[in-house]
Amino acid sequence: NAGVMQNPRHLVRRRGQEARLRCSPMKGHSHVYWYRQLPEEGLKFMVYLQKENIIDESGMPKERFSAEFPKEGPSILRIQQVVRGDSAAYFCASSPTKGVRKLFFGSGTQLSVL
Amino acid sequence: QQQVKQSPQSLIVQKGGISIINCAYENTAFDYFPWYQQFPGKGPALLIAIRPDVSEKKEGRFTISFNKSAKQFSLHIMDSQPGDSATYFCAASMTGNDMRFGAGTRLTVKP
Repeated sequence: NAGVMQNPRHLVRRRGQEARLRCSPMKGHSHVYWYRQLPEEGLKFMVYLQKENIIDESGMPKERFSAEFPKEGPSILRIQQVVRGDSAAYFCASSPTKGVRKLFFGSGTQLSVL
Repeated sequence: QQQVKQSPQSLIVQKGGISIINCAYENTAFDYFPWYQQFPGKGPALLIAIRPDVSEKKEGRFTISFNKSAKQFSLHIMDSQPGDSATYFCAASMTGNDMRFGAGTRLTVKP
C-alpha cells in the first residue's frame, strides 16, 4: 500500500517560469492538503481539496498560485511566474476523512527558483 | 501570525538521556495537539497526539505532557537514541482544516 506520492522530488525553475507539483494521495483517500515549509519554519497550510472541489484556500497566495484535484489523476499545485521567494519545500498530505486529525504526508517537492 | 511557539530550536542530547521539547499556544479553541517527526528528505509523520481533556499521554518512550491552564504542552523522549535524531514539530488544530505548526526542533542524539 503505497503512501502519499509526490513528484518531482526536486524542481528547479528560473524566475518567470511555471512550476507544477503533483501529489497522488494514499489509496482510498479523497482529501488532500498542501503545505509549504520554509527553512527553519514550520509547515504553513495552503489549500484543502476534495475530488474536483477546492474546500479551503485561505492559505494560498491570491496571485500566481492555483490548485486542483481532478476526478482522475493526481492533485496539482501550480505556481505561475515563479519568483525567488517561492523557493521552499512543498508537502502534500492526504486523509481518509474530512479534517486534519489523520494526515499522511508525502516526501515533498523541493522547489528552487534561480 | 504564529499561534504555536516551539522551543528550543535545536537540542543535543546524549544517548540514554531525556529530550524535552516545549510548545505554547494562544488560541483556546484548539482541541487537538499532535507531534510530528520528520527525517531529512522525508515528510512529517504523526508521532503522538493528545486532547486537552487529559494531562499526559504515553506511547513507549514518547510522552506528551499537557498543561491546559498554561496553554503549554511538551514532548518527552525517554532513553533517547541516535535513531531519534530528527526534526520534531508540535502542532495544534481545532475542528476544521487548519493545523498550525510550530517552527520545529532539530534533535541530535549523540552516541
